[in-house]
Amino acid sequence: AQTVTQSQPEMSVQEAETVTLSCTYDTSESNYYLFWYKQPPSRQMILVIRQEAYKQQNATENRFSVNFQKAAKSFSLKISDSQLGDTAMYFCAFMKPYTNAGKSTFGDGTTLTVKP
Amino acid sequence: GAVVSQHPSRVICKSGTSVKIECRSLDFQATTMFWYRQFPKQSLMLMATSNEGSKATYEQGVEKDKFLINHASLTLSTLTVTSAHPEDSSFYICSAPTGLGYGYTFGSGTRLTVV
Repeated sequence: AQTVTQSQPEMSVQEAETVTLSCTYDTSESNYYLFWYKQPPSRQMILVIRQEAYKQQNATENRFSVNFQKAAKSFSLKISDSQLGDTAMYFCAFMKPYTNAGKSTFGDGTTLTVKP
Repeated sequence: GAVVSQHPSRVICKSGTSVKIECRSLDFQATTMFWYRQFPKQSLMLMATSNEGSKATYEQGVEKDKFLINHASLTLSTLTVTSAHPEDSSFYICSAPTGLGYGYTFGSGTRLTVV
């Protein structure tokens, strides 16, 4: 079974600065998908960014980018120019396509606080 | 984009009664719906997977008779908490895949309080 580890339960960053959230995973598969989801205080889960394992290029979405290191099984999220609205719990998730009924494995989450 | 509408957002019920939570996919067909339970500041705990037209698949340790899941159509999945007790109080979330490798769309969650 796949496991996803987020080793930073809580982090904080000053507004406008950059922060990196860590995620490692364990799998023997070569083809899979990785995601970062955001859960703000409203508790609505939102997809932030996705990465296909067979693509070497790191995904980016505006201020959000990932550092995907397949050999190291690492998938960190970088948030640039942090904004107060980025305050949320962030979950890293792994999904193996065509297996396990489409289930994703979620990490335990990192609570990020952006300070003014 | 794909939207999953979840209702109610909050519900308070008396111990021993049943509560139904609905998740509707508004602009796409959700053949699969995942149901989670989440405790404060913790991760999502998958309870069950519902598939349209077939029985739900429950995760180990989840009581099938307490958490009844029905996926009656391609746009509606429901979770009924039967004979609710205070320990069932929690935040329940549904999610549907939005395409292979494109992650999930989540409902907005239901905060259940059993008194």
